[in-house]
Amino acid sequence: EAQVTQNPRYLITVTGKKLTVTCSQNMNHEYMSWYRQDPGLGLRQIYYSMNVEVTDKGDVPEGYKVSRKEKRNFPLILESPSPNQTSLYFCASSFTGGRTEAFFGQGTRLTVV
Amino acid sequence: QKEVEQNSGPLSVPEGAIASLNCTYSDRGSQSFFWYRQYSGKSPELIMFIYSNGDKEDGRFTAQLNKASQYVSLLIRDSQPSDSATYLCAAAYNNNDMRFGAGTRLTVKP
Repeated sequence: EAQVTQNPRYLITVTGKKLTVTCSQNMNHEYMSWYRQDPGLGLRQIYYSMNVEVTDKGDVPEGYKVSRKEKRNFPLILESPSPNQTSLYFCASSFTGGRTEAFFGQGTRLTVV
Repeated sequence: QKEVEQNSGPLSVPEGAIASLNCTYSDRGSQSFFWYRQYSGKSPELIMFIYSNGDKEDGRFTAQLNKASQYVSLLIRDSQPSDSATYLCAAAYNNNDMRFGAGTRLTVKP
């Protein structure tokens, strides 16, 4: 089954404790991205990757890191989480970025206390 | 600033009616437009995409694009309670940049 898999689905952590949210897709997509979704603000892009070892900032990259060492995986790293990073996070993948359908993971609800 | 604007709603329609969802975008360089449906607590899923001016129909759904007015709409005919969800409009400015609106919450009442 074609899918984008994120883990964990839910996470509560404390300020400053490094965490990683994993994302994996099995559709051989070149393009992957991370979004955060906050009430009233919609989906905002954090980082995107056009291919292995190619990443770039989206609209709200501050406080986040990503890596793309393999085509299927695109982890999101929060080196020192803060309460304003409490949000719902989605990973997405597509064949060519903006021109084709984006497939979304199940979402990760992160709470930073 | 590249913005995609949607009326947050909620939009409420009776079962069987036509639901009309609207979206405007600020950058004339936008090339592709998408409508996603998102049920509460779930991830967005694609309903339709449209690239050219005019209408595009798929079952009960019709997307309409007017590039001169920078306006995109989604019509849902014969609305069902199962259509109750938040609808996200997205505009793609190039292969790397897709911007989403905040979404319109639709409620279809039986």
